[in-house]
Amino acid sequence: KNEVEQSPQNLTAQEGEFITINCSYSVGISALHWLQQHPGGGIVSLFMLSSGKKKHGRLIATINIQEKHSSLHITASHPRDSAVYICAVRGSGGSNYKLTFGKGTLLTVNP
Amino acid sequence: ETGVTQTPRHLVMGMTNKKSLKCEQHLGHNAMYWYKQSAKKPLELMFVYNFKEQTENNSVPSRFSPECPNSSHLFLHLHTLQPEDSALYLCASSQDRSGGEKLFFGSGTQLSVL
Repeated sequence: KNEVEQSPQNLTAQEGEFITINCSYSVGISALHWLQQHPGGGIVSLFMLSSGKKKHGRLIATINIQEKHSSLHITASHPRDSAVYICAVRGSGGSNYKLTFGKGTLLTVNP
Repeated sequence: ETGVTQTPRHLVMGMTNKKSLKCEQHLGHNAMYWYKQSAKKPLELMFVYNFKEQTENNSVPSRFSPECPNSSHLFLHLHTLQPEDSALYLCASSQDRSGGEKLFFGSGTQLSVL
């Protein structure tokens, strides 16, 4: 069982819908990353957070440290948001620069 | 454009070939990483370099040989690979390996081993 679990694995939405992707983890962490991977492979870091909430444009990321859970929200979704969204956590002890990745959530936004 | 450039974007090689993947960043970062992404599996860390020194080898087979001649360049030398090594190989960099900042990824090299 992976230490980082994402849900759903696949998500299809209509343009304009509000989208939520969830990430649960089982270890103590120092930070959590949300990444976006478009077809073709390139990965872009969207957020890095260790508490609370961050917002950038239509994207919002939240984390609940006590519940070991994070969510990525997309408001007013658009076809260009179609991508794989990956959650990754950085451990709080030992080699804490290592990231443990989830398998990703494939989001498809239809026009 | 993330500032991390990988070449080639695609590579097809036979099991007896020798090839190299190249990664370049001019972000002033001191840490560079090689990751492997196989279908339906999470990204796996392969190697970490910090200030040109290898600080992590995540039990990677010796048919993968990294090289970091300076803080801006990272290579992955490949020889006698197996078909199961076919994957997307991603390079990344960060300011340092302390863990407190974002990673910047390249677009990856899609490798097929025949």
